[in-house]
Amino acid sequence: EPEVTQTPSHQVTQMGQEVILRCVPISNHLYFYWYRQILGQKVEFLVSFYNNEISEKSEIFDDQFSVERPDGSNFTLKIRSTKLEDSAMYFCASGFRTDTQYFGPGTRLTVL
Amino acid sequence: LAKTTQPISMDSYEGQEVNITCSHNNIATNDYITWYQQFPSQGPRFIIQGYKTKVTNEVASLFIPADRKSSTLSLPRVSLSDTAVYYCLVGLTGGGNKLTFGTGTQLKVEL
Repeated sequence: EPEVTQTPSHQVTQMGQEVILRCVPISNHLYFYWYRQILGQKVEFLVSFYNNEISEKSEIFDDQFSVERPDGSNFTLKIRSTKLEDSAMYFCASGFRTDTQYFGPGTRLTVL
Repeated sequence: LAKTTQPISMDSYEGQEVNITCSHNNIATNDYITWYQQFPSQGPRFIIQGYKTKVTNEVASLFIPADRKSSTLSLPRVSLSDTAVYYCLVGLTGGGNKLTFGTGTQLKVEL
């Protein structure tokens, strides 16, 4: 069964550093998403991507964040200058319809 | 936007059937009902989706009454490994195409 994959599983970085989180969505999916979950809190939407452009973004997704689909398979989330409060699990999701999304295992980002 | 209400937590024992009910009084005509499962430190996992009546797959059943104002996720013969948070989502609960997760139902299964 196809799955969304994410790398790395755990990323530790210093405050102010740039990080890139990588995702390989399921191959025939058209919609791509990033969510995050701070420890003990709800899963929060960050951004959705369709037809090679952002279709929606949340208030969390400010100028420090960007997404890219550089080729036909990868989908990346870049945080330009990490803050302590960016520490969270980051989940990539994809779907062939918007209300059915398949999530990856997540990347745990720790900002020191 | 359809708001959902589900119990914060439920306890069960291995081998029992667990039913988690979700209320969604203002569900829209085109909305589907979707349930996700999340284990600690893992991404939400799609379990089941339905529009009306009953849907069954290898993991669970979803019962939806005719008025569609509620739905019940049924997990047959739970085991310890079913301990997780279960989320009920209706349509695109946040508007647009994002999923808006609530706090879900924490199911704890004991021996």
